[in-house]
Amino acid sequence: NAGVTQTPKFRVLKTGQSMTLLCAQDMNHEYMYWYRQDPGMGLRLIHYSVGEGTTAKGEVPDGYNVSRLKKQNFLLGLESAAPSQTSVYFCASSYWDRGGEQYFGPGTRLTVT
Amino acid sequence: RKEVEQDPGPFNVPEGATVAFNCTYSNSASQSFFWYRQDCRKEPKLLMSVYSSGNEDGRFTAQLNRASQYISLLIRDSKLSDSATYLCVVNGNSGNTPLVFGKGTRLSVIA
Repeated sequence: NAGVTQTPKFRVLKTGQSMTLLCAQDMNHEYMYWYRQDPGMGLRLIHYSVGEGTTAKGEVPDGYNVSRLKKQNFLLGLESAAPSQTSVYFCASSYWDRGGEQYFGPGTRLTVT
Repeated sequence: RKEVEQDPGPFNVPEGATVAFNCTYSNSASQSFFWYRQDCRKEPKLLMSVYSSGNEDGRFTAQLNRASQYISLLIRDSKLSDSATYLCVVNGNSGNTPLVFGKGTRLSVIA
């Protein structure tokens, strides 16, 4: 049981490049989330999904897109990376959204130069 | 008022000390409360849920005060391994924030 895994662990992008971060969970959770964490800012929700085929915007969605084609996977896309998107990205999943414990992946450290 | 507020610290305490963290939240309708722990450069992990009647897990005690809208975490007999950032978490005000995470309080336990 791997829990929540994220790919890649590290990445360096140039401004304007695109990339996709992959999150996978093997706990059969309905809900999945993408957060970014910056120094002094805490965790901020980018997008989330309440089930396969559904997505919703979080607190800071601009510049990101997501897809949930399969229940176990949640993809985060950056179409045209900007230095302001340099951050640590965490994926999480839970059984339900309104107050269920969230399980986090190990994070992806992204630097945009 | 921010949804979840915590003293950022750092709290520097000697081994064996008792330390308490407080957190305030703005949504009076919140029903779910947690403390998460985050080690340096690692993901957050659930430390404990917080129940209305208060709850204890070994050296850790969590309390909820609904009237004043604050949550506390007490750590007794601090260990070096308790050094981490402690995140207060509450379910959010609106539909686009299922859980809201505080910015965290950093604890350093010193030998």
